[in-house]
Amino acid sequence: QSVLTQPPSVSAAPGQSVTISCSGSSSNIGRNYVSWYQQFPGTAPKLLIYENNKRPSGIPDRFSGSKSGTSATLAITGLQTGDEAEYFCGAWDSSVSGVFGGGTKLTVL
Amino acid sequence: QVQLQESGPGLVKPSETLSLTCTVSGDSINDIDDYYWSWIRQPPGKGLEWIGYVYYTGSTTFSRSLKSRGTMSVDTSKSQFSLRLSDVTSADTAVYYCARGRFRYPRIGVTGYYFDYWGQGTLVTASS
Repeated sequence: QSVLTQPPSVSAAPGQSVTISCSGSSSNIGRNYVSWYQQFPGTAPKLLIYENNKRPSGIPDRFSGSKSGTSATLAITGLQTGDEAEYFCGAWDSSVSGVFGGGTKLTVL
Repeated sequence: QVQLQESGPGLVKPSETLSLTCTVSGDSINDIDDYYWSWIRQPPGKGLEWIGYVYYTGSTTFSRSLKSRGTMSVDTSKSQFSLRLSDVTSADTAVYYCARGRFRYPRIGVTGYYFDYWGQGTLVTASS
């Protein structure tokens, strides 16, 4: 069981928007920053969002992150078929460890 | 461009020791910036599991669940860092990733920790 909780799957049509939630606790998301990763089958995860809402160079502004209390959200607008992937949230926990969510598979219908 | 590459045996017998090395190119592994050279694994069809990190000084932090079996080290002269996990079982079968971890401390009590560069991953199977 992952420390952070994500829905197993979400889906939406091309051009639409979708949000992926990540729920934690006061020892991780509640006090620390959240990051998000995109992973295509058979490849390594790629950093999408760091420090809750910052995008690395090259990440389109269709991807955005937010945090409220002990939950975080990844939002993707203008969905493209190429966005179909698995998405993971991550954070630091005060137990002195990194933690991740179980991943959410995005299907673009 | 920073690149990381894992190397090591793809098959380890139960009760033996898993040993992996990550070679870093395009960056200095002993940069005093907030880089923490990390290991993460992903069992087949499952989510990501944080293993731990090693700093360029050699200091390490391990996941509680793996601390008793694991060691990490760094060789700055070779731009490499390594993971060893002893007494493996089938539960250790996973794709193992090395990654560059970064810490940020925007204010007291708040920590940002993320991985900006990843290796391609290497599958390690624990089986006889």
